[in-house]
Amino acid sequence: EDKVVQSPLSLVVHEGDTVTLNCSYEVTNFRSLLWYKQEKKAPTFLFMLTSSGIEKKSGRLSSILDKKELFSILNITATQTGDSAVYLCAVDNYGQNFVFGPGTRLSVLP
Amino acid sequence: EPEVTQTPSHQVTQMGQEVILRCVPISNHLYFYWYRQILGQKVEFLVSFYNNEISEKSEIFDDQFSVERPDGSNFTLKIRSTKLEDSAMYFCASSPGARMGQPQHFGDGTRLSIL
Repeated sequence: EDKVVQSPLSLVVHEGDTVTLNCSYEVTNFRSLLWYKQEKKAPTFLFMLTSSGIEKKSGRLSSILDKKELFSILNITATQTGDSAVYLCAVDNYGQNFVFGPGTRLSVLP
Repeated sequence: EPEVTQTPSHQVTQMGQEVILRCVPISNHLYFYWYRQILGQKVEFLVSFYNNEISEKSEIFDDQFSVERPDGSNFTLKIRSTKLEDSAMYFCASSPGARMGQPQHFGDGTRLSIL
């Protein structure tokens, strides 16, 4: 059964800290890995990663994929209170759906 | 920026009643999805829809559930004879193009509460 695992499940930091969120996966057929940010409502798309070793960057957020070790990390530098959210990792397994991990709940304190 | 819209934002229903959750996907998208998220749990896939038919469905999507695209814009999820355990946030998503492997864009969800 396809599986996506995230760690930590919960993280509390102070503004200005740098955080690293982890996502590992076991899927039969891998097409891409996606990161979403979920605040109160809809998951909002952050990154889609298909190739190993190529960093995707957007402002203070960056992500990279390792297809050999089957994991991805999402880095957030100089965290702000607005970064507080649940960060979801999902894998596209060539099916017609995504397999989601449980999410990492990030709380950034002022 | 175009977005996926869902109505209602919150639906409260008595157990055993039927509910219809509505979604308007992004207009040029071709793939549509329903997911649910029980409070405190992970997002779970229910069903995907392409070319006016179900492409894939999960074990959760049993005979109690059905989907429909009644016109060119709406995409609905119907739950017949609701149960307490159907209480969850239901997300609609859509993705563009005729090629899979593209990000899905999510609506804000409908919170379904079964009493």
